[in-house]
Amino acid sequence: QITLKESGPTLVKPTQTLTLTCSFSGFSLTTSGMTVGWIRQPPGKALEWLALIYWNDDKRYSPSLKSRLTITKDISKNQVVLTMTKMDPKDTATYFCAHAKFDILIGPFDYWGQGSLVTVSS
Amino acid sequence: SYVLTQPPSVSVAPGKTAKISCGGNDIGYKSVHWYQQKPGQAPVVVVYDDDDRPSGIPERFSGSNSGNTATLTISRVEAGDEADYFCQVWDSDSEVVIGGGTKLSVL
Repeated sequence: QITLKESGPTLVKPTQTLTLTCSFSGFSLTTSGMTVGWIRQPPGKALEWLALIYWNDDKRYSPSLKSRLTITKDISKNQVVLTMTKMDPKDTATYFCAHAKFDILIGPFDYWGQGSLVTVSS
Repeated sequence: SYVLTQPPSVSVAPGKTAKISCGGNDIGYKSVHWYQQKPGQAPVVVVYDDDDRPSGIPERFSGSNSGNTATLTISRVEAGDEADYFCQVWDSDSEVVIGGGTKLSVL
């Protein structure tokens, strides 16, 4: 049974760096085809994909946010960490991590965390 | 960058059929996934790879994809189907692309 859970600050100040952790179980990021992604959703708005990390440590980022994002994994802890620099009030959103399988292409995000609401305000 | 366009809202009476579109350039050549999201909850996959259903998703949910439009069809709509629906594809340039979402209202 695959589970994921996000953790991190609920409030950050403008210009600060956000660090979010996704702790997961039920699979290993050393297994071929496993990936973990981050997706966010501002209140009342659409989902927005942010970043993806593959089992082989390949990394992909949203073109519009690439300069501000870093995704890493800690195999020993079964965790994926997302950092986002230069936080702005427009970055206020619920941040989700989710699992997807890669075959020929990335499959759907089939397991999701509960989400972590991050508010950016001074 | 690749863009997916969905209607902001669709309304349907209970027992009728709802169709939610997802437009994109040559989307027929891509695999489309559909998510249902209810308030305060994480999204759930209801259709993947254009027209496959995960286990546990009712047969009332189906998908199609051709040309520049993919469609999620919900037959015999129930009150519990009221939710936001998002389409998603993978694009070689944009990577993961998600549509703007459609709010399904059951009248």
